[in-house]
Amino acid sequence: GAGVSQSPSNKVTEKGKDVELRCDPISGHTALYWYRQRLGQGLEFLIYFQGNSAPDKSGLPSDRFSAERTGESVSTLTIQRTQQEDSAVYLCAIRQGGSDTQYFGPGTRLTVL
Amino acid sequence: AQSVAQPEDQVNVAEGNPLTVKCTYSVSGNPYLFWYVQYPNRGLQFLLKYITGDNLVKGSYGFEAEFNKSQTSFHLKKPSALVSDSALYFCAVRGLSSNTGKLIFGQGTTLQVKP
Repeated sequence: GAGVSQSPSNKVTEKGKDVELRCDPISGHTALYWYRQRLGQGLEFLIYFQGNSAPDKSGLPSDRFSAERTGESVSTLTIQRTQQEDSAVYLCAIRQGGSDTQYFGPGTRLTVL
Repeated sequence: AQSVAQPEDQVNVAEGNPLTVKCTYSVSGNPYLFWYVQYPNRGLQFLLKYITGDNLVKGSYGFEAEFNKSQTSFHLKKPSALVSDSALYFCAVRGLSSNTGKLIFGQGTTLQVKP
């Protein structure tokens, strides 16, 4: 994506374990989003960060999901006590300046066994 | 509630023929509309968007889309398909009522272009 990297690219974990997914956006971005893409489905909004405003967490599916952003930089999405239904590709996206366009990272494919 | 529908799971086109990938939306107020493309094992790439102005918008790789307010549609088109256009295409909408800019995505349409 245009200035967004994500790590790891693939993560396989056992049910019940915690995982952390990382998003490294280009500096100077305006807003940061996390989305989830389940197999054969469209993207679902999870969470949104902008500046010092309180994040919009309305898309988080359960309290096992949380996310943080360090300053206006790296963001981590944490999933506690993973379940098989958490298996998906997790995508990070950014907006820059006043643009309405979101640019996506390559995603992290999470597989929960 | 805001929603996006892509009525076709898959579209098959012969190389050189025109292609259309359909999208309809439901959102209060005037929408911001987007098309993204996803190649295998890659993230989403932005193709084009409609915010305001001319109903026909042109984007990357020769794609264009036409905003039709009366039919609440934003179909993606290309006059002459290439085998390399084969990918998964997503339509998305942002409602003006959203102050976060979060996008609502359709389920995606797989485009298969055959030589």
